[in-house]
Amino acid sequence: DAGVIQSPRHEVTEMGQEVTLRCKPISGHNSLFWYRQTMMRGLELLIYFNNNVPIDDSGMPEDRFSAKMPNASFSTLKIQPSEPRDSAVYFCASSLQGYNTEAFFGQGTRLTVV
Amino acid sequence: SQQGEEDPQALSIQEGENATMNCSYKTSINNLQWYRQNSGRGLVHLILIRSNEREKHSGRLRVTLDTSKKSSSLLITASRAADTASYFCATTGGSEKLVFGKGTKLTVNP
Repeated sequence: DAGVIQSPRHEVTEMGQEVTLRCKPISGHNSLFWYRQTMMRGLELLIYFNNNVPIDDSGMPEDRFSAKMPNASFSTLKIQPSEPRDSAVYFCASSLQGYNTEAFFGQGTRLTVV
Repeated sequence: SQQGEEDPQALSIQEGENATMNCSYKTSINNLQWYRQNSGRGLVHLILIRSNEREKHSGRLRVTLDTSKKSSSLLITASRAADTASYFCATTGGSEKLVFGKGTKLTVNP
């Protein structure tokens, strides 16, 4: 298996634009997580899906952020409109079963909003 | 909010030496996990230790867990330059979230 695949690897966009980040989890994993990493705040959990259903989205910063998982092999994280403070590295991770098993991380998307 | 806190924030050692990193947490946990992150890359899982376990080994890695002190340590023996990375502990507990600390940046000098 190729592991968790994220695209794009880098994204530079202007403030106010819509940004869509994509993730393909490992086949057979039923849990998917979106994390954001910044120097100031470290790694923050944004949202957790289990069997394609959002279980915990309490980490989503505000209404500008939305995430979907239309099927077991694809998830998106959308920011609309984007702001400079959204600049961060966004990671997608998947696991076999929730939080209590090993999480496999993608390589991340480095987002810069100018 | 951060549950685990790693200590020290940065550690610099010579190749061949042992590296010890510590993690403290505040509330009761189900398990504690250690991850490594190389610069510019995603996190890689190292070890998961359950709340009823006290010690676990994997190759050159040794993890201990003391639930009475709410702390864990990660020991890397005979370190190599390739071990240079940031190391994070992550806990799952009552909230069921996997909450990461801010990490220890380890530099192993050749």
